[in-house]
Amino acid sequence: AQSVAQPEDQVNVAEGNPLTVKCTYSVSGNPYLFWYVQYPNRGLQFLLKYITGDNLVKGSYGFEAEFNKSQTSFHLKKPSALVSDSALYFCAVRDGGGGYNKLIFGAGTRLAVHP
Amino acid sequence: KAGVTQTPRYLIKTRGQQVTLSCSPISGHRSVSWYQQTPGQGLQFLFEYFSETQRNKGNFPGRFSGRQFSNSRSEMNVSTLELGDSALYLCASSLTSGSGYNEQFFGPGTRLTVL
Repeated sequence: AQSVAQPEDQVNVAEGNPLTVKCTYSVSGNPYLFWYVQYPNRGLQFLLKYITGDNLVKGSYGFEAEFNKSQTSFHLKKPSALVSDSALYFCAVRDGGGGYNKLIFGAGTRLAVHP
Repeated sequence: KAGVTQTPRYLIKTRGQQVTLSCSPISGHRSVSWYQQTPGQGLQFLFEYFSETQRNKGNFPGRFSGRQFSNSRSEMNVSTLELGDSALYLCASSLTSGSGYNEQFFGPGTRLTVL
């Protein structure tokens, strides 16, 4: 069965420092991977996706993610964190077994960026 | 282009009642998926509709149902509400269904509280 793990409940970073939010996955077949962000009382906003091709994916708001097949990881990164990046981040994988648009989400990682 | 809209934003119901939530996808999007978000279970897939047909269903009891109209708008219904149904219900729309690599765009959600 497809699954996604986000090993950290919370990540704390000082403003201006680089940030990494970790995600590992387990899928059969080719992984379709996504990152979403959720601000309080809001829905999820799409950040970026990996389908195929270049292992470094660039997304919205200066975020990028590195796909590593050997380590089955898809970590989210940003070179310089902003206080406004503080939010809940979700990694997701398409459920290839179920097909279509069913996403399986990780538990989420709360990012806190301190001034 | 307008985003995904969900109505109502907040609902308070009592046990045993039923509720209907509505979702209007982004114009041109034909796939609508529903997710339940709770602190304990996280984000869980409910079902997906495409061209008025249910394409996939998550592991939820039959009390949870949905439908899609010819204009791609979707509704979900929960009958015989239980306390555990209290959650944020998120709707997501996508251009197509079969490929699985199109990102989904989420609405702000409907916060359902069951008393």
